[in-house]
Amino acid sequence: RKEVEQDPGPFNVPEGATVAFNCTYSNSASQSFFWYRQDCRKEPKLLMSVYSSGNEDGRFTAQLNRASQYISLLIRDSKLSDSATYLCVVTPDTGRRALTFGSGTRLQVQP
Amino acid sequence: DTAVSQTPKYLVTQMGNDKSIKCEQNLGHDTMYWYKQDSKKFLKIMFSYNNKELIINETVPNRFSPKSPDKAHLNLHINSLELGDSAVYFCASTTSGPSGELFFGEGSRLTVL
Repeated sequence: RKEVEQDPGPFNVPEGATVAFNCTYSNSASQSFFWYRQDCRKEPKLLMSVYSSGNEDGRFTAQLNRASQYISLLIRDSKLSDSATYLCVVTPDTGRRALTFGSGTRLQVQP
Repeated sequence: DTAVSQTPKYLVTQMGNDKSIKCEQNLGHDTMYWYKQDSKKFLKIMFSYNNKELIINETVPNRFSPKSPDKAHLNLHINSLELGDSAVYFCASTTSGPSGELFFGEGSRLTVL
């Protein structure tokens, strides 16, 4: 089983739609969780951290469910500029700080 | 004023050759990484250095050798290149704190013919 698993998509949605991505992780000792965004042929960039209580940043809401070992990202009122690949990222445990990336979910927002 | 810069951005070479990719960060970070992103877009860690010391060395062929002359630089040398080495190689850096934000370079796209 992969450490971090995501549905690769693509998710094709119209502008204004609400879309949600899920991600599961295998190591229950995982400490930190993030969503990164990667545009086509560009480097990944941090979108938001994911906190245990859930957190929101504008149109983006991230949630963590430790019991079921999954993370979610909700995007409301999708914009064309949201089209990208969304990478779920986990820090496996305190002894190893390297972030482990999922393979990403591709989102295509259409006019 | 680029925070993490890699050179070259593109590299096309023949099998069997030796090549290097250089990375520099001006963020004052202590930890630097090399990640490989293959054709399936999967980003996999290769190496990590903290203050010039190797702290993570994943299962990578020993044809790959990282070198960190100082904490602002992390270079990657690849010997005897193979077709399967074709990928985008990303350098990244972070502070030693728990924020976890990685700052990536723009990537170096290596094509082995």
